[in-house]
Amino acid sequence: KAGVTQTPRYLIKTRGQQVTLSCSPISGHRSVSWYQQTPGQGLQFLFEYFSETQRNKGNFPGRFSGRQFSNSRSEMNVSTLELGDSALYLCASSPLGANTEAFFGQGTRLTVV
Amino acid sequence: AQSVTQPDIHITVSEGASLELRCNYSYGATPYLFWYVQSPGQGLQLLLKYFSGDTLVQGIKGFEAEFKRSQSSFNLRKPSVHWSDAAEYFCAVDIKAAGNKLTFGGGTRVLVKP
Repeated sequence: KAGVTQTPRYLIKTRGQQVTLSCSPISGHRSVSWYQQTPGQGLQFLFEYFSETQRNKGNFPGRFSGRQFSNSRSEMNVSTLELGDSALYLCASSPLGANTEAFFGQGTRLTVV
Repeated sequence: AQSVTQPDIHITVSEGASLELRCNYSYGATPYLFWYVQSPGQGLQLLLKYFSGDTLVQGIKGFEAEFKRSQSSFNLRKPSVHWSDAAEYFCAVDIKAAGNKLTFGGGTRVLVKP
């Protein structure tokens, strides 16, 4: 069974631009979550999507948005990029049920210059 | 809101020695508890999890963790460390209130001396 796939692995963008990151969950998983990892703030929850609906949201500005498609694939978008958005963005998928864990992808390393 | 504390930012251990990583959480009830490991530039790999039942849980790569409700702790242990265990380790909790939302500790970086 293929794991969680994130594309691209690396991105370099300029301040003010926007970026879209993609995540394909493990087959059969309908929950997809996104996390931002930075040296200063650590791992922080961005949002979770389930059946194409945002179910949970973290404390990030509205520049960060996401969506989920009917095949459970998810994208996150960051508009008007700032230098502080440079981070490793991790996607995780989870199967149905409470007694389950999150399976993480390799991440997308975003550098804003 | 729940929080997770990993008091040790760095730990250096000799190969073959035992390892214990500390994790304390703050939450009114027992959350779902996890330990993840991350190698440089990589994603997170689940080592083990606690949902309920036996408070000593076994994971992959020879790791185990013990849940202690009275101390709100979930410490990770390994009896004999291998050089390949050098990585960053994260403790995480999820209260599963309405979906999946992990709260992570700050991480502990483990260095292994030959």
